[in-house]
Amino acid sequence: EAGVAQSPRYKIIEKRQSVAFWCNPISGHATLYWYQQILGQGPKLLIQFQNNGVVDDSQLPKDRFSAERLKGVDSTLKIQPAKLEDSAVYLCASSPGARDSPLHFGNGTRLTVT
Amino acid sequence: KQEVTQIPAALSVPEGENLVLNCSFTDSAIYNLQWFRQDPGKGLTSLLLIQSSQREQTSGRLNASLDKSSGRSTLYIAASQPGDSATYLCAALLWSGAGSYQLTFGKGTKLSVIP
Repeated sequence: EAGVAQSPRYKIIEKRQSVAFWCNPISGHATLYWYQQILGQGPKLLIQFQNNGVVDDSQLPKDRFSAERLKGVDSTLKIQPAKLEDSAVYLCASSPGARDSPLHFGNGTRLTVT
Repeated sequence: KQEVTQIPAALSVPEGENLVLNCSFTDSAIYNLQWFRQDPGKGLTSLLLIQSSQREQTSGRLNASLDKSSGRSTLYIAASQPGDSATYLCAALLWSGAGSYQLTFGKGTKLSVIP
């Protein structure tokens, strides 16, 4: 089966600019996650979707971050405006939906804010 | 605040050695615990998932155990190989208090297996 696809792989922007990341989960996976992984840290959940509804966005900085999952498939994560501390790898993951199912991760987008 | 801690942060072993990676978590009301592997510049690959009702899971040379009462999990790697070199992360699925279960990750243990 095809894995979780993410693009772009790398992005360099200046602070206060905007950026968007795209994720295509494994076909049939109802649950989609966006994680932020700062260098040397474990991933931190930003937002979780079940189909096209938000399950948990309690750790999403909503003043600058937004995410959507149209038609319950692909998802985009946007940052506007970016800050230096947003430099990180943004990982998308998907699972069939059950809590007992392991997560499948994409290779991530490495964002550098200068 | 739920926390997941991994010790040591880095480990270097000679090829062929058996090794144990440690993970501890603060909340005993864990739903499951997962171990992942992360290679440089890559995403995470799921290795083992242990349900809260289970004590251990095995896959090939990997064996993961879970002790809810002490808040600990271990990942045992037998007969280590250079290809095992990677960062290993554990993650506990815990009730977030925000209406859902949330996977909380440790910072990982960076393993180097020396040929």
